Amino acid sequence: NAGVMQNPRHLVRRRGQEARLRCSPMKGHSHVYWYRQLPEEGLKFMVYLQKENIIDESGMPKERFSAEFPKEGPSILRIQQVVRGDSAAYFCASSPRGLEGGIETQYFGPGTRLLVL
Amino acid sequence: KQEVTQIPAALSVPEGENLVLNCSFTDSAIYNLQWFRQDPGKGLTSLLLIQSSQREQTSGRLNASLDKSSGRSTLYIAASQPGDSATYLCAVRRAGGYNKLIFGAGTRLAVHP
Repeated sequence: NAGVMQNPRHLVRRRGQEARLRCSPMKGHSHVYWYRQLPEEGLKFMVYLQKENIIDESGMPKERFSAEFPKEGPSILRIQQVVRGDSAAYFCASSPRGLEGGIETQYFGPGTRLLVL
Repeated sequence: KQEVTQIPAALSVPEGENLVLNCSFTDSAIYNLQWFRQDPGKGLTSLLLIQSSQREQTSGRLNASLDKSSGRSTLYIAASQPGDSATYLCAVRRAGGYNKLIFGAGTRLAVHP
């Protein structure tokens, strides 16, 4: 059973371009979480999705950022018109259920390092 | 608003020392607390998870304690080894909320031979 997969592992964009980050959860997991880690900081929650639904997007910036988790395929975090401040590591995690299932460990992917020039 | 603080931010010790990493949180209404390890350029590895009703968890040379009422957790590492060098992150889940983690900034640990 492969772990959480993220691609690309490294992404370089120029200011104003779009960045698309992909996350494939572990097999059988229908809950996906995105976190952002700025240099020298801890991870900050961005968004929590189930298949075809955004459950909690309280950590998402109001503009330029969007996320989806379609019925088929990976979850996508999309950043439009990137700026230098978007440079960070973006981590995806998955779990088989939400909190209602009891103890639910999130399994983290290796992250995508985004560099905006 | 829940805030998680980790002290110290960085630690460098010789091999063999016993270590204590500290984590504090401002809102005691947590569901559980989790310690992770992060290696440079890698993802996160879960080390220990403590439910709010528990006082401690142990795994090998690692022991994590939780004092929910005072908003504190400690990670104890016995007989440290160079392979323990990594960043250690503490994270809490809010009680009654969704399954999202609130992280501290981490403690960067270097164990030298």
